[in-house]
Amino acid sequence: DAGVIQSPRHEVTEMGQEVTLRCKPISGHDYLFWYRQTMMRGLELLIYFNNNVPIDDSGMPEDRFSAKMPNASFSTLKIQPSEPRDSAVYFCASSLWETGNTIYFGEGSWLTVV
Amino acid sequence: AQKVTQAQTEISVVEKEDVTLDCVYETRDTTYYLFWYKQPPSGELVFLIRRNSFDEQNEISGRYSWNFQKSTSSFNFTITASQVVDSAVYFCALFIQGGSEKLVFGKGTKLTVNP
Repeated sequence: DAGVIQSPRHEVTEMGQEVTLRCKPISGHDYLFWYRQTMMRGLELLIYFNNNVPIDDSGMPEDRFSAKMPNASFSTLKIQPSEPRDSAVYFCASSLWETGNTIYFGEGSWLTVV
Repeated sequence: AQKVTQAQTEISVVEKEDVTLDCVYETRDTTYYLFWYKQPPSGELVFLIRRNSFDEQNEISGRYSWNFQKSTSSFNFTITASQVVDSAVYFCALFIQGGSEKLVFGKGTKLTVNP
């Protein structure tokens, strides 16, 4: 079975540019999460969706960050404009409430803003 | 508030040694899940185990075992006869069912297994 698929795996961009990270959750899962990992803050939840609806975006750091889930099989996390402090690994994860919400993570998108 | 503490920042062992990674959690909720994830040098987060708050049975999976004790709010992870491939950062995490649906992570323990 395919796991959570993220793209791109690695992205290097210049400050001020728009960055779009993409995620395909595990088929049938009803929760989707975006996490960010940095050395300073560890793993932190940015936003999560339930049945494509954003439920809690309190972890989104600034208005420069936005996330969408237009359908059950696709989500994006956008940063516009990007800044060097956005450099981090961004993980997408998904889970199915009915089976106890084991949360499976993608391989991460490694973002470097120079 | 929920919190997960992994007091061991780094551990270094020699191959074939047993090693225990500690995890202490805080929550006032009675229904919750505890997780362990492994993050190898390649960076992905690999799910290892989930345990719900009503099941205090210890679990063994090959060389891995988990000891869940509600009395001490601990969910420790033991690797028996460690191998170099076990070198990774291990995260303990807490999830509250019906709460914020947020998986709260500890800071992680970096395990290095030397040959």
